[in-house]
Amino acid sequence: DTAVSQTPKYLVTQMGNDKSIKCEQNLGHDTMYWYKQDSKKFLKIMFSYNNKELIINETVPNRFSPKSPDKAHLNLHINSLELGDSAVYFCASSHGRDRSLEQYFGPGTRLTVT
Amino acid sequence: SQQGEEDPQALSIQEGENATMNCSYKTSINNLQWYRQNSGRGLVHLILIRSNEREKHSGRLRVTLDTSKKSSSLLITASRAADTASYFCATDARSGYSTLTFGKGTMLLVSP
Repeated sequence: DTAVSQTPKYLVTQMGNDKSIKCEQNLGHDTMYWYKQDSKKFLKIMFSYNNKELIINETVPNRFSPKSPDKAHLNLHINSLELGDSAVYFCASSHGRDRSLEQYFGPGTRLTVT
Repeated sequence: SQQGEEDPQALSIQEGENATMNCSYKTSINNLQWYRQNSGRGLVHLILIRSNEREKHSGRLRVTLDTSKKSSSLLITASRAADTASYFCATDARSGYSTLTFGKGTMLLVSP
């Protein structure tokens, strides 16, 4: 059974479009995250939600809007896509707000903006 | 600025050899974690070491932490081709944002 799943796995789209990436975890975790991994493999936190409440919002353009309909889901909507948004986006989850706990990652969504 | 920095950036060894990767960080931490990422996959948690621990073992993995030098090392003994992956350290800073900060990773290639 997949613990943290993301859809789609690959997303190719043109500049200016709006797209969404979905994430679901079946681990019963309270906290979910979105990370962006660039072409040099640098992984950077974007957002974190705990029980549907936004607790971390790094300096991410407001074209990126996370939405958490329930604590098992954290979707990422991106408006007006730009070339620089091309990256691999990872969803992750952990139990509770304690950042000391291990995080479980999804398989990633490779976004290519042309 | 980035918290963790791994060294070397890339490491190539033969099966059976040991692989050592290092991580340096800049601020005081509560704990440090190591993750593995296989090509095209998400990160997988390997081991967590707390700031009051100096060494930890898990199977063929040995992690050390030197808080005075703000550094950690990950040793994989008797490496296998399946260990080929990128390895990242992640630090949990004692102050500031409550999030893990990942380094750029060490790419390990284990040849049969």
